[in-house]
Amino acid sequence: SQTIHQWPATLVQPVGSPLSLECTVEGTSNPNLYWYRQAAGRGLQLLFYSVGIGQISSEVPQNLSASRPQDRQFILSSKKLLLSDSGFYLCAWINHRLAGGNNEQFFGPGTRLTVL
Amino acid sequence: LAKTTQPISMDSYEGQEVNITCSHNNIATNDYITWYQQFPSQGPRFIIQGYKTKVTNEVASLFIPADRKSSTLSLPRVSLSDTAVYYCLVVFVANYNQGGKLIFGQGTELSVKP
Repeated sequence: SQTIHQWPATLVQPVGSPLSLECTVEGTSNPNLYWYRQAAGRGLQLLFYSVGIGQISSEVPQNLSASRPQDRQFILSSKKLLLSDSGFYLCAWINHRLAGGNNEQFFGPGTRLTVL
Repeated sequence: LAKTTQPISMDSYEGQEVNITCSHNNIATNDYITWYQQFPSQGPRFIIQGYKTKVTNEVASLFIPADRKSSTLSLPRVSLSDTAVYYCLVVFVANYNQGGKLIFGQGTELSVKP
């Protein structure tokens, strides 16, 4: 079965510090991978998505970046965190072959980031 | 991607049927209507997807009129554990090469009371 991992689960960082959040998927190959952010309540904002190794698409301009060094690994980074980067970060994946073509995305447990 | 509009919040009581309506006036021919459920501090979870008429699974039913400009998620006999945020999305299912993106709106916060 497929499993998605995110770490750390929670993180408290000072303004201006770097960030690295990691997401890995097990039990599938060549997934599409996604990073979302949810700030103070609901409403998920799509930040980045990747359809393959080294392929990153950015949805919104910001001080965050993403990388996909391996097929099942997706990393969210920042060189200098802002207060507005606080939020709940979710990684998601889809393998359309297994999903039967309904674009069902599977979400990880999330990382709660607080920037002070 | 088509924009959706749904109520910000709804209240219900245990055992009642809950219907959440979503408007998607600009839905395209190849778009599907999809609903996700999200509990606090968890990622969203797929509930149901449909194209037209009625779709039913073990969790919910989805009603889509002929013009497809709206849809209604129906939750039968809700319980306290159905308290969550429900998102309506319009998805172009075959866009894998373009990334298979999902755009979430604000969702409907359903509160089920005893």
